[in-house]
Amino acid sequence: EAGVAQSPRYKIIEKRQSVAFWCNPISGHATLYWYQQILGQGPKLLIQFQNNGVVDDSQLPKDRFSAERLKGVDSTLKIQPAKLEDSAVYLCASSLGGETSAPQHFGDGTRLSIL
Amino acid sequence: GNSVTQMEGPVTLSEEAFLTINCTYTATGYPSLFWYVQYPGEGLQLLLKATKADDKGSNKGFEATYRKETTSFHLEKGSVQVSDSAVYFCALMDSSYKLIFGSGTRLLVRP
Repeated sequence: EAGVAQSPRYKIIEKRQSVAFWCNPISGHATLYWYQQILGQGPKLLIQFQNNGVVDDSQLPKDRFSAERLKGVDSTLKIQPAKLEDSAVYLCASSLGGETSAPQHFGDGTRLSIL
Repeated sequence: GNSVTQMEGPVTLSEEAFLTINCTYTATGYPSLFWYVQYPGEGLQLLLKATKADDKGSNKGFEATYRKETTSFHLEKGSVQVSDSAVYFCALMDSSYKLIFGSGTRLLVRP
């Protein structure tokens, strides 16, 4: 089966610019996650969707970050305006959902560098 | 709150050496526990998991046992290979299906 697809793989922008990331989950996976992974740290959950509804966005800096999953499949994550501290790898993951032990499958991530 | 603590790296071993990466957790209830591996430039891959106390997860020669009494989930492999060089993350899944990761342990295996 095809894995989680993310684009772009790399993005370099200047601070205060905007940027968007795209994610296509595994077919049939109802739950979609966006994580932020800062260099040398473990991934931190930003937002979790169940179909096209938000389950948890408590760690999303809502003054500058936004995410949507309009049709319950693809998702986009946007940052506007970017800050230096946003330099990180942004990982998308998906799972069947509905049970605690359902594994999350990760994409290769988008590496964002802020100049 | 829920949290995961891993031993700091890097862990440097010679090929065929025995590997242990320590992981302890703090959580309410009995969360599912996971080990993920991240190769350079790639996303995380599920390595193994355990869903209840005394469960042993295993995959590709790696093993970890869910120890409720010590709140631990240490990763072990009897004989590492150069291809095992990667960053290993221990994680727990909380009651809202959210993964909470440790900070990762880098493993370097020398030929």
